[in-house]
Amino acid sequence: DVKVTQSSRYLVKRTGEKVFLECVQDMDHENMFWYRQDPGLGLRLIYFSYDVKMKEKGDIPEGYSVSREKKERFSLILESASTNQTSMYLCASTLASSYEQYFGPGTRLTVT
Amino acid sequence: GQNIDQPTEMTATEGAIVQINCTYQTSGFNGLFWYQQHAGEAPTFLSYNVLDGLEEKGRFSSFLSRSKGYSYLLLKELQMKDSASYLCAVRVPGGFKTIFGAGTRLFVKA
Repeated sequence: DVKVTQSSRYLVKRTGEKVFLECVQDMDHENMFWYRQDPGLGLRLIYFSYDVKMKEKGDIPEGYSVSREKKERFSLILESASTNQTSMYLCASTLASSYEQYFGPGTRLTVT
Repeated sequence: GQNIDQPTEMTATEGAIVQINCTYQTSGFNGLFWYQQHAGEAPTFLSYNVLDGLEEKGRFSSFLSRSKGYSYLLLKELQMKDSASYLCAVRVPGGFKTIFGAGTRLFVKA
């Protein structure tokens, strides 16, 4: 069964902290994505990766960075968390030859 | 620019049929998705249309008209468990990028 897991369901951090969100998939997918989901705005793409150590900016990369050292793991890093980064963060993955994205359960991050 | 429009909320009765519309204006088109997302859960894939016409899959059908930039998701024989948000999304050329609409929250009442 296809599975994408995220390190935390809920996270509370303080302004200025460095935050790591981890995503792991067990499907040997090449492509991995990080989105944030905010009410009324839908899912917006932050970064994606199509191979190990490769990354591409999405629509809203400012304030974020990513790391993909292994094929199954894609990390999202908030270098210095700010209150406007309070959101639901969703990770997804796909095969290179496919179009269907498999999503993780999401991490609801609150920055105070 | 990229824009996907869908109604914010809809309400329908158990056993009825509901149609959720989606219009899009994007820089290119490589396919349109519908995802279902229950509150607090991950989106799950429902359908993918790349050619014009109707695709039927059980109680759910999805229609696409590329010339009109229009799609709809049709849900038949509504059940309470169909209460969820339905996300319309367009895959654009030049990579793996998908643009998502804000979603339509569907309430199914008894």
